[in-house]
Amino acid sequence: SQQGEEDPQALSIQEGENATMNCSYKTSINNLQWYRQNSGRGLVHLILIRSNEREKHSGRLRVTLDTSKKSSSLLITASRAADTASYFCATDARPQGGSEKLVFGKGTKLTVNP
Amino acid sequence: DTGVSQDPRHKITKRGQNVTFRCDPISEHNRLYWYRQTLGQGPEFLTYFQNEAQLEKSRLLSDRFSAERPKGSFSTLEIQRTEQGDSAMYLCASSWPLGARPGNTIYFGEGSWLTVV
Repeated sequence: SQQGEEDPQALSIQEGENATMNCSYKTSINNLQWYRQNSGRGLVHLILIRSNEREKHSGRLRVTLDTSKKSSSLLITASRAADTASYFCATDARPQGGSEKLVFGKGTKLTVNP
Repeated sequence: DTGVSQDPRHKITKRGQNVTFRCDPISEHNRLYWYRQTLGQGPEFLTYFQNEAQLEKSRLLSDRFSAERPKGSFSTLEIQRTEQGDSAMYLCASSWPLGARPGNTIYFGEGSWLTVV
């Protein structure tokens, strides 16, 4: 079963605009991660936010985490055509001490039009 | 920089045949994972190794599926008597030992596409 649910399922924007994707999850987590997947390729790790963090930045990426609402958002600023991909949130399966596996959502398919 | 390597990248097989996929993880990683991904879905966990020990298996891993990591390095995933429903991308990933790095970032290979006809 998949713990995370991304929203929206698909998002289409123009180059230069910001893209916001949301993720909701069900159980307590140790950390939440966002991954990117180009069509037909493997997943690439983007950013990790721990349960005691509320916001984190990496380049054009900004991630927020609200553990009270069990939700996270990924913001990509000043989007580029090369950002076109599917984005997945992933949560560890145990609330503490790290975990052996990550549980992924269904993803948001982002299309950035030039 | 050697990442996670998977072979073959694509496999077309007839229903009922056996297939085997190989994964070579990042050399210093002792953890290795197999995931399955179908179109429009996120990766679904199949199984996980720490060194050569298979520590966790998903209920998705039916008795037709077997994974091994005999020497704690590369791993194989075999599917026996393939069915059309097995058509998917099989992803391998690896990570550092627990506590060696913050969080539990895992690094994926490019995947092995399986089409059962």
